[in-house]
Amino acid sequence: QSALTQPASVSGSPGQSITISCTGTSSDVGSYELVSWYQQHPGKAPKLMIYEDSHRPSGVSNRFSGSKSGNTASLTISGLQAEDEADYYCCSYAGSSTLVFGGGTKVTVL
Amino acid sequence: QVQLVQSGAEVKKPGASVKVSCKASGYPFTTYALHWVRQAPGQSLEWMGWVNGGNGKTKYSEKFQGRATFTTDTSATTSYMELGSLRSEDTAVYYCAGGGLGFCTNGVCYTSNYWGQGTLVTVSS
Repeated sequence: QSALTQPASVSGSPGQSITISCTGTSSDVGSYELVSWYQQHPGKAPKLMIYEDSHRPSGVSNRFSGSKSGNTASLTISGLQAEDEADYYCCSYAGSSTLVFGGGTKVTVL
Repeated sequence: QVQLVQSGAEVKKPGASVKVSCKASGYPFTTYALHWVRQAPGQSLEWMGWVNGGNGKTKYSEKFQGRATFTTDTSATTSYMELGSLRSEDTAVYYCAGGGLGFCTNGVCYTSNYWGQGTLVTVSS
């Protein structure tokens, strides 16, 4: 499978909202409500932020929200904070018991 | 609490094999599968496949089919990832990941809320 497409970088000022897109195809993102989002700080393991398109695990700030339209999923971070500066990866079920990740987006807090 | 603890860093020569372990604790090991994901330096995450802790069934990404082997030792609650015919492009941090959150079928859940700390594998002559 081909990797999902994400913008290389997104930036915003503290307190602002930013949105990261994740574009796939009708064989992955568009076919299943199974997109998850992971946050990764340098040198650390990924951390689950959103699963099944828009569900937030317990303990994750409600400043993080997920949505999807057609073949594109989105992660929105509202009230941007310094600790949100990290890399973010989307991941989708791609059928036949497989997963595919996105290329990753570096979020910079200005 | 759930923990996934991986083995230490490895340095291998091209053509060799490497075996990384992932010891699980804090949940019934046979309950669900563990995924293996790798990340080359400065690159994105790459899904390699999964191994079912209950029955040993496996699924590999097409890219790793035939070169990667996932196994489990239920008595040791440990999963293993072996990658053969190593080349420099295999230099990466390898993660095991899993969890029982969200959609699960046949013992495989497709959301990973638990991750190992990662194992750096360096392939260099």
